[in-house]
Amino acid sequence: AQSVAQPEDQVNVAEGNPLTVKCTYSVSGNPYLFWYVQYPNRGLQFLLKYITGDNLVKGSYGFEAEFNKSQTSFHLKKPSALVSDSALYFCAVRDGAGGFKTIFGAGTRLFVKA
Amino acid sequence: DSGVTQTPKHLITATGQRVTLRCSPRSGDLSVYWYQQSLDQGLQFLIQYYNGEERAKGNILERFSAQQFPDLHSELNLSSLELGDSALYFCASSVVGTGDGETQYFGPGTRLLVL
Repeated sequence: AQSVAQPEDQVNVAEGNPLTVKCTYSVSGNPYLFWYVQYPNRGLQFLLKYITGDNLVKGSYGFEAEFNKSQTSFHLKKPSALVSDSALYFCAVRDGAGGFKTIFGAGTRLFVKA
Repeated sequence: DSGVTQTPKHLITATGQRVTLRCSPRSGDLSVYWYQQSLDQGLQFLIQYYNGEERAKGNILERFSAQQFPDLHSELNLSSLELGDSALYFCASSVVGTGDGETQYFGPGTRLLVL
């Protein structure tokens, strides 16, 4: 069965510093990986996804994520954090071995301090 | 704006009651997904429909049901409501729903409060 873990409930970073939000996954087949962001009282917004190809995926708002097959990880990164990046971030995985479910992680709350 | 619309935005009701949440997918999307987001359970997949047919089922209670209509809008029916059903309910849509790399686009959600 597929699963996804976000080991940190909360990440704190100062504005201008690089940020990383961690995600690890488990699937039977090829993984299809997604990052979404949720601002207060809003729905989830798609940031980026990995399907195949280059391990470094670039997405919206300057975010990128690195797929690491050996470590089964898909960490979200940004070189320079903004206060406006403060939000709840969800990693999600879909198992290429079959089934149609997308499983979401528990979410990581990012606080960027000015 | 994702293009997915959900009504109502807020719903307050009493235990034992029944409510219906409505979702209109993005133009051209054939697949609709329902999720429940609560503080203790996180974001839970409930059910997926594709072009009117049920495609996948998640952690959906028997008291809950959904359908997708010929115009592709979907409704989630919640009955015999309990306090624990209070949550944010999201609808998402995607083009087909079978593509492994398909992106789901989320609506703004319906916040349900059961008193």
